[in-house]
Amino acid sequence: ETGVTQSPTHLIKTRGQQVTLRCSSQSGHNTVSWYQQALGQGPQFIFQYYREEENGRGNFPPRFSGLQFPNYSSELNVNALELDDSALYLCASSLGGSSNQPQHFGDGTRLSIL
Amino acid sequence: GQQLNQSPQSMFIQEGEDVSMNCTSSSIFNTWLWYKQDPGEGPVLLIALYKAGELTSNGRLTAQFGITRKDSFLNISASIPSDVGIYFCAGTIIQGAQKLVFGQGTRLTINP
Repeated sequence: ETGVTQSPTHLIKTRGQQVTLRCSSQSGHNTVSWYQQALGQGPQFIFQYYREEENGRGNFPPRFSGLQFPNYSSELNVNALELDDSALYLCASSLGGSSNQPQHFGDGTRLSIL
Repeated sequence: GQQLNQSPQSMFIQEGEDVSMNCTSSSIFNTWLWYKQDPGEGPVLLIALYKAGELTSNGRLTAQFGITRKDSFLNISASIPSDVGIYFCAGTIIQGAQKLVFGQGTRLTINP
């Protein structure tokens, strides 16, 4: 148990729709990172939020966006869903933004696009 | 971009055997982390390595941070059935954010 919780656990959407995924960080952690994990692959970094601001982003288009709230929880929003967006979306929390403190993962949201 | 090459992709061993897997890269990483992922769950941190040359143990697990900062290995001694799962190495890059770059994973299967 890492204390990182994600909701929902599963979601089915169709192409062109929009989706919002949610993450509650581990107690005391002020940084949230989001990753996309395609089937059979390692997770890919989407972006990181620290003190309610995006402080780093991977190679994902602008239709992937996020928010972090004052209680450090976070949302991942994806607009104009495409079939290739089908994946497990993982949230990880850590302490200290760009510090070397390790990231701890939730169990993810499985997103299926029809 | 940064990439990690993790090997082997899969391993089939007998219970009680020792296991070794490794990751290499052409890039330098600040830290190396090893995670285990079970079906339907997120990755769970096993070992974190912070200094080049560092050797760290966690029970039956031992991992080392390569001296060049471009590689790491994980050893599991005397494997047991609950060791089954997918093991990922991850290197940390600090570019504004702390970004984890993951290997492709090693799937471990144990025959009782």
